[in-house]
Amino acid sequence: GAGVSQSPSNKVTEKGKDVELRCDPISGHTALYWYRQSLGQGLEFLIYFQGNSAPDKSGLPSDRFSAERTGGSVSTLTIQRTQQEDSAVYLCASSFQRREQFFGPGTRLTVL
Amino acid sequence: GENVEQHPSTLSVQEGDSAVIKCTYSDSASNYFPWYKQELGKRPQLIIDIRSNVGEKKDQRIAVTLNKTAKHFSLHITETQPEDSAVYFCAATVTTSGTYKYIFGTGTRLKVLA
Repeated sequence: GAGVSQSPSNKVTEKGKDVELRCDPISGHTALYWYRQSLGQGLEFLIYFQGNSAPDKSGLPSDRFSAERTGGSVSTLTIQRTQQEDSAVYLCASSFQRREQFFGPGTRLTVL
Repeated sequence: GENVEQHPSTLSVQEGDSAVIKCTYSDSASNYFPWYKQELGKRPQLIIDIRSNVGEKKDQRIAVTLNKTAKHFSLHITETQPEDSAVYFCAATVTTSGTYKYIFGTGTRLKVLA
């Protein structure tokens, strides 16, 4: 079956603009995670969804970041008023309950 | 707070030698410890994992050991090959107030020299 997909694969935007990143998890996966990976760095946890609810938003860096998940499936991560320090690869992962996470290919965000 | 420390940050070995990467975690309730391999420009891929009721797990050239008392777990790669060159991440799960998330180590860049 299809794996986790993310779109767009690359996004270049100007400082101050809003961006939306999309994640399509594996069908049937109940849990969905967003991470941020800066160049040469590790994986920084942003937010976790169980179904449509987000029990843990503790990793969101600021109130410019928000995320939602609808229908227990697709999720969007929105960054408002982007800053240069938001430039990174944003990775999405999904899992069935508490089993193995599968990662998407990521969205590379560049803020000019 | 929740934390996973990973060492070393870089590791170079000769082809055929063994490589060991070590992680420590802070949450005593953590019960699942996966290891991911990330090749340049690609997504992280699970290579092996271990649950807290097991002390060791092996899959061909890869093994993971877990010491729950000391809160340590390690990845062992034997007979390394050039294609093992990648960044490796350890992770530990954190379960608090109904949430279930992964805390990742900072990664180890492994270079296998031919």
